[in-house]
Amino acid sequence: AQSVTQLGSHVSVSEGALVLLRCNYSSSVPPYLFWYVQYPNQGLQLLLKYTSAATLVKGINGFEAEFKKSETSFHLTKPSAHMSDAAEYFCAVSEGTSYDKVIFGPGTSLSVIP
Amino acid sequence: GAVVSQHPSWVICKSGTSVKIECRSLDFQATTMFWYRQFPKQSLMLMATSNEGSKATYEQGVEKDKFLINHASLTLSTLTVTSAHPEDSSFYICSAPRGQGYGYTFGSGTRLTVV
Repeated sequence: AQSVTQLGSHVSVSEGALVLLRCNYSSSVPPYLFWYVQYPNQGLQLLLKYTSAATLVKGINGFEAEFKKSETSFHLTKPSAHMSDAAEYFCAVSEGTSYDKVIFGPGTSLSVIP
Repeated sequence: GAVVSQHPSWVICKSGTSVKIECRSLDFQATTMFWYRQFPKQSLMLMATSNEGSKATYEQGVEKDKFLINHASLTLSTLTVTSAHPEDSSFYICSAPRGQGYGYTFGSGTRLTVV
């Protein structure tokens, strides 16, 4: 069964600084990997997804993530944090088929300090 | 793009009553719908998977008699919380896969408060 871990339940960065949110997964088959963002009392918004094409995936709002099979990682980065990036971020995995269930990591709360 | 419309967005009900949450796929056919529950400050936990025309598959520890799922058509899946209690208060979110390479579409969520 697949699972996701996110190192750091809470991350604080200064406005303009690099954002790095860590995600490691386990899966018995090639996975699909996702990053979602959730603002308070709202649903989920997809930032980006990896579906076995290019290992460096670019998403919305300047975010990108790199799939590293050898490290079983899919870390999310953004070169320069904005105040509007403050939110909850979830890494998620599914087992590489279109209709398989998506398992979410525990989430990382990102704070951006002015 | 593909949209899953989830209603209601919030509901308050009395303890012991039942609440129905609907998720409709507006511009695609959702043969599968995943139902998640999210408690405050926690992640999304998969409750069950529904498939059109067949019985739902529940995750371990989820009471199937309490959380009734119906997926009677290719565009509608419903979750009914029966005999709700305060501990059922949570954020419920549905999600439908959109096909090879297209990912998943999530509903906007339902905030259930049982008083």
